[in-house]
Amino acid sequence: QVQLQESGPGLVKPSQTLSLTCTVSGGSISSHNYYWHWIRQPAGKGLEWIGHIYTTGSTNYNPSLKSRVTISVDTSKNLFSLILTSVTAADTAIYYCATNSNPNWFDPWGPGTLVTVSS
Amino acid sequence: SYVLTQPPSVSVAPGKTARITCGGNNIGTKSVHWYQQKPGQAPVLVIYYDNDRPSGIPERFSGSNSGNTATLTISRVEAGDEADFYCQVWDSSSDHYVFGTGTKVTVL
Repeated sequence: QVQLQESGPGLVKPSQTLSLTCTVSGGSISSHNYYWHWIRQPAGKGLEWIGHIYTTGSTNYNPSLKSRVTISVDTSKNLFSLILTSVTAADTAIYYCATNSNPNWFDPWGPGTLVTVSS
Repeated sequence: SYVLTQPPSVSVAPGKTARITCGGNNIGTKSVHWYQQKPGQAPVLVIYYDNDRPSGIPERFSGSNSGNTATLTISRVEAGDEADFYCQVWDSSSDHYVFGTGTKVTVL
């Protein structure tokens, strides 16, 4: 089964850009009809879907974040990425990547990575 | 946007049955999926398509969905079931995903 691992800076300054990658193992990111998602969770709070990119390259984002989010795929490195611009303390959260072949649910998930926005 | 409402907490004694509700407008017309999240871990899918279990998930976990409420039922609750649980739906018209507010299950 596909396995996912998030990576990136754990600390980002306010107003700067958050950049994370999700490395895919156990399968090619481009060989199946999969959706590749980013989801986040502030400490002690609930889950928020950020957006996804499909195998074809099409993307869809949470309307609340759409103006600041870009998700892209690097097939040569078998990973996909999240860029979130103009971050504030409210963007401090654990960021998860996840996938699905059925568009309904998320399975599996990566272990998550904590990103703190602070000066 | 679509809103899913869960009770903040549910407490249950070992061996008893826990029921976690997920309320949403006409949620019975949508497919509901449930995740279990233990402290410090990523969520794990426990129920999909209202009442299907992924391989490895005990039969003690079941679900239902009708009207404005979906329910996750955990039978014969064990101490290891203590976790946060989230419901989730996919809005096919917008291709957006929505999570419920989350319920903390405490085993007494």
